[in-house]
Amino acid sequence: KQEVTQIPAALSVPEGENLVLNCSFTDSAIYNLQWFRQDPGKGLTSLLLIQSSQREQTSGRLNASLDKSSGRSTLYIAASQPGDSATYLCAVPGTGNQFYFGTGTSLTVIP
Amino acid sequence: GAGVSQSPSNKVTEKGKDVELRCDPISGHTALYWYRQRLGQGLEFLIYFQGNSAPDKSGLPSDRFSAERTGESVSTLTIQRTQQEDSAVYLCASSLAGGSLTYEQYFGPGTRLTVT
Repeated sequence: KQEVTQIPAALSVPEGENLVLNCSFTDSAIYNLQWFRQDPGKGLTSLLLIQSSQREQTSGRLNASLDKSSGRSTLYIAASQPGDSATYLCAVPGTGNQFYFGTGTSLTVIP
Repeated sequence: GAGVSQSPSNKVTEKGKDVELRCDPISGHTALYWYRQRLGQGLEFLIYFQGNSAPDKSGLPSDRFSAERTGESVSTLTIQRTQQEDSAVYLCASSLAGGSLTYEQYFGPGTRLTVT
């Protein structure tokens, strides 16, 4: 069974700082990896989807990388803002139809 | 266009009662997923629908849980004889297709279920 781990569980940074969130998975045979953010009491918002053939994807201040062979993905956030405060989740598909989610990294950006 | 919607947003019920949760996927999305998120925990897959194919029910935790979907439209998740451990946020997601799992999932805001 696929296991997804996210480190750190919580992170607090001052506004303007660049930061990296980590996601690791045990089974490297994945089709893709998706990063989400979840605001308190809300559903998940898709941030980036990286296909297995890609090494990275960028959207604005966000850059996600994927290294299948080592079972790792990172989400880089440049010039962090208070509005970036949320829980960030990564997810990978399993062998069936389900997705496996990490438990997330709770990010707080301090003004 | 409209995103995934879920209703109700909050539901408080007494132990032993049945509840029904509703999900309206994005129009044109053939794949629909239900997940459960307990407080402080990650998302647990419950069930997957793809078009008119038989659903993948492998994640349902017990026979008290069931779900239906008519074609590519609304889905309902039913929990019978609710227990306190059923308290969680129930999230629905849809995507253009499942199968090859190459499409983004779009999530609804969730239904927060509290069983007293």
